[in-house]
Amino acid sequence: KNQVEQSPQSLIILEGKNCTLQCNYTVSPFSNLRWYKQDTGRGPVSLTIMTFSENTKSNGRYTATLDADTKQSSLHITASQLSDSASYICVVSEADSNYQLIWGAGTKLIIKP
Amino acid sequence: DADVTQTPRNRITKTGKRIMLECSQTKGHDRMYWYRQDPGLGLRLIYYSFDVKDINKGEISDGYSVSRQAQAKFSLSLESAIPNQTALYFCATSDPDRANTGELFFGEGSRLTVL
Repeated sequence: KNQVEQSPQSLIILEGKNCTLQCNYTVSPFSNLRWYKQDTGRGPVSLTIMTFSENTKSNGRYTATLDADTKQSSLHITASQLSDSASYICVVSEADSNYQLIWGAGTKLIIKP
Repeated sequence: DADVTQTPRNRITKTGKRIMLECSQTKGHDRMYWYRQDPGLGLRLIYYSFDVKDINKGEISDGYSVSRQAQAKFSLSLESAIPNQTALYFCATSDPDRANTGELFFGEGSRLTVL
């Protein structure tokens, strides 16, 4: 069964610190992997989309990595800010005829001052 | 104004009532989606539409129906609401592209509570 698992479920760090969120998936065949940020009570917003051939992709202080061989991805946040408090969701696209999206449950990140 | 607008934002209803959630978009995208989000679970696809004449069931379509009234409008209906349909519902849009790497754009969500 195609699955996307994220760790940790939740994380608390101090403002200014770095952190790394993990995503492991079993989706096959693979098309692309996305990271979304979801503020509490709001819709998810796309951070990055990576295809099979991309190992790393940055969006400001957010850097996503992808190892398609081990089916792992990470999202690294540098110099965290209070506004980074949100849930971060990993989503993998299956390369079948409908390109189904498999959503992880998310990591809830809390930044404390 | 938001590019993807959902109404209502919050709704409390009783078991057995018919509920409609509406979504409109100004992004000009052909593809529209309805998702459901429950605590501790990933988003789950209810229905999706690739154009006005196209309706497709998603992962959890039972108990739901949709209508694509125009390119910009996509409504989700619960014909007879039940308590386990209490959830946060999201509408999303995307541009069509062959590899389906199109970014999804989400509305602000509709929180539905069924008593």
